[in-house]
Amino acid sequence: DVKVTQSSRYLVKRTGEKVFLECVQDMDHENMFWYRQDPGLGLRLIYFSYDVKMKEKGDIPEGYSVSREKKERFSLILESASTNQTSMYLCASSGLAGVGDTQYFGPGTRLTVL
Amino acid sequence: AQSVTQLGSHVSVSEGALVLLRCNYSSSVPPYLFWYVQYPNQGLQLLLKYTTGATLVKGINGFEAEFKKSETSFHLTKPSAHMSDAAEYFCAVKPMNRDDKIIFGKGTRLHILP
Repeated sequence: DVKVTQSSRYLVKRTGEKVFLECVQDMDHENMFWYRQDPGLGLRLIYFSYDVKMKEKGDIPEGYSVSREKKERFSLILESASTNQTSMYLCASSGLAGVGDTQYFGPGTRLTVL
Repeated sequence: AQSVTQLGSHVSVSEGALVLLRCNYSSSVPPYLFWYVQYPNQGLQLLLKYTTGATLVKGINGFEAEFKKSETSFHLTKPSAHMSDAAEYFCAVKPMNRDDKIIFGKGTRLHILP
């Protein structure tokens, strides 16, 4: 079974702090994704990566950055956390782009910024 | 551009009744289509997906969906609802090309009434 793990299930941070959210997958997947999920808005793509050291902006990259130094790990960084970044953050991975590759999701990190 | 519309942000059905969750999509190229389920405080889990071939797709937990190209729909059904089906359901579309970005609908929360 594909396993995607996220470093924390719940996180509370203060405004202005630098926040790191870590995601690790164990299926040697090329593609990794970060989404945020908010009520009524569904999932919105923040950043994604097709390969090590590659990154692409998604639909809402402002206020975020990412790092992918190893194939299995994809980190989301909030440079200076703000209250409007309080949300559920979901990481996902998928294999080589091909016939309807499925995205596999981690359990999510619920981040609260005070 | 691709988009997904899920009709109804909340749907309530009685235990034992038919479940019908509606999804319509738009896509400039033939799409792959997905339904994901999210149980409380968990990540998303794939229910089923359509790639090519048979238009009626069976998934886990007794769910199925039918791809209707003429109606640009991919509605999710289950003949008899169970209390454990209470969750949020997301329809998603991915174009049949190398672009691995999946577009998610905003989700439908399914409530099961005893």
